[in-house]
Amino acid sequence: GPKVLQIPSHQIIDMGQMVTLNCDPVSNHLYFYWYKQILGQQMEFLVNFYNGKVMEKSKLFKDQFSVERPDGSYFTLKIQPTALEDSAVYFCASSLEQHTGQLYFGEGSKLTVL
Amino acid sequence: QQQVRQSPQSLTVWEGETAILNCSYEDSTFNYFPWYQQFPGEGPALLISIRSVSDKKEDGRFTIFFNKREKKLSLHITDSQPGDSATYFCAAIPGNNRIFFGDGTQLVVKP
Repeated sequence: GPKVLQIPSHQIIDMGQMVTLNCDPVSNHLYFYWYKQILGQQMEFLVNFYNGKVMEKSKLFKDQFSVERPDGSYFTLKIQPTALEDSAVYFCASSLEQHTGQLYFGEGSKLTVL
Repeated sequence: QQQVRQSPQSLTVWEGETAILNCSYEDSTFNYFPWYQQFPGEGPALLISIRSVSDKKEDGRFTIFFNKREKKLSLHITDSQPGDSATYFCAAIPGNNRIFFGDGTQLVVKP
């Protein structure tokens, strides 16, 4: 089936540093998302993105977070500066349409902030 | 406030048994309910879904039963297989693009 690729699969950084998580969504998809998951538990919505703009973001999407998809390339999540509580697995997802719930998720990027 | 609740948190069944995973929600505007299956080290994958106009959705060994009045639904996995061992997330969509996920049920199927 359609694949969403995420790079890196795991990154370890020191608190205060910047990190960029990259996502290569399904090629014809138009809507992009980031979710945060801690300890394999609840998927926490961060942000969704369409047509070059953030459509909606949650309270977890702090000011230190930003997303972009320059020139239709990777959809990125940047955290600057990082904090200890940012340690989690971040999942990127994409969908062709709205309101379908048919999100395709990547395998996640595990972020460890020391 | 947790919008989507799941129970039990973990469930162990024997191969061949029926596993029943429960889900309830708060917001009556939720009208679409996908279930996602997640294996360790992987992202969630859409397994089966139901719209609020239906009370049952079946796909092979997986069946969703939906009770709109009580705001409850359940996922039944018949003839459970060890390969079904995973975490199952109930999710709900109110009609915009934001999906609310439950905390998940970790299913273990013993051979």
